[in-house]
Amino acid sequence: SSELTQDPAVSVALGQTVRITCQGDSLRSYYATWYQQKPGQAPVLVIYGKNNRPSGIPDRFSGSSSGNTASLTITGAQAEDEAGYYCNSRDSSGNHVVFGGGTKVTVL
Amino acid sequence: QLQLKESGPGLVKPSETLSLTCTVSGGSISSSSYYWGWIRQPPGKGLEWIGIIYYSGSTYYNPSLKSRVTISVDTSKNQFSLKLSSVTAADTAVYYCARHITGDYGDAFDIWGQGTMVTVSS
Repeated sequence: SSELTQDPAVSVALGQTVRITCQGDSLRSYYATWYQQKPGQAPVLVIYGKNNRPSGIPDRFSGSSSGNTASLTITGAQAEDEAGYYCNSRDSSGNHVVFGGGTKVTVL
Repeated sequence: QLQLKESGPGLVKPSETLSLTCTVSGGSISSSSYYWGWIRQPPGKGLEWIGIIYYSGSTYYNPSLKSRVTISVDTSKNQFSLKLSSVTAADTAVYYCARHITGDYGDAFDIWGQGTMVTVSS
């Protein structure tokens, strides 16, 4: 079982805002990183650190954290944002990497 | 532009050893700024971290796989490799290699290979 917990699925109306959460004790000490994965493709890094976006990632993607919960927010969701989203961080020991189970985002 | 590409057999027999290589192009694997890692994804399931290696050879492995996993690096070829022994059908997955960055901002796999499907079957 993963040390990071994500809701399996969430839906959002086109143009609206959706927040995807990732829970785990290690998130009290380490930042969460977020990836987007579309079917048949490799994951793409979308948010890392406190709230950093790699070049090319739209600014509608943002990250935040409070206590043991990290969040990825898509403000003004677009059809192309329909994808799986995974969080990752270190485990409680700090020596290993863990992934959340992933959240499937559907844009209605 | 840095690119990573996985290579290796797409079919492995149960109880045998899975061997994959990741070739890094457009940059040096010997950079002191990065680790290099393997992640897998069984069909229809989520991502699972396998392990990471530094160019010096130091490694960190997923505790659940540690007894079967070896990750090595060949700086002369700009490659790193994965060996997973005693495979079963549960090891059937898409295997990705990726560059791992770490710092005050935390950790991230910022550049990924395209992935390679490995099926364990007799």
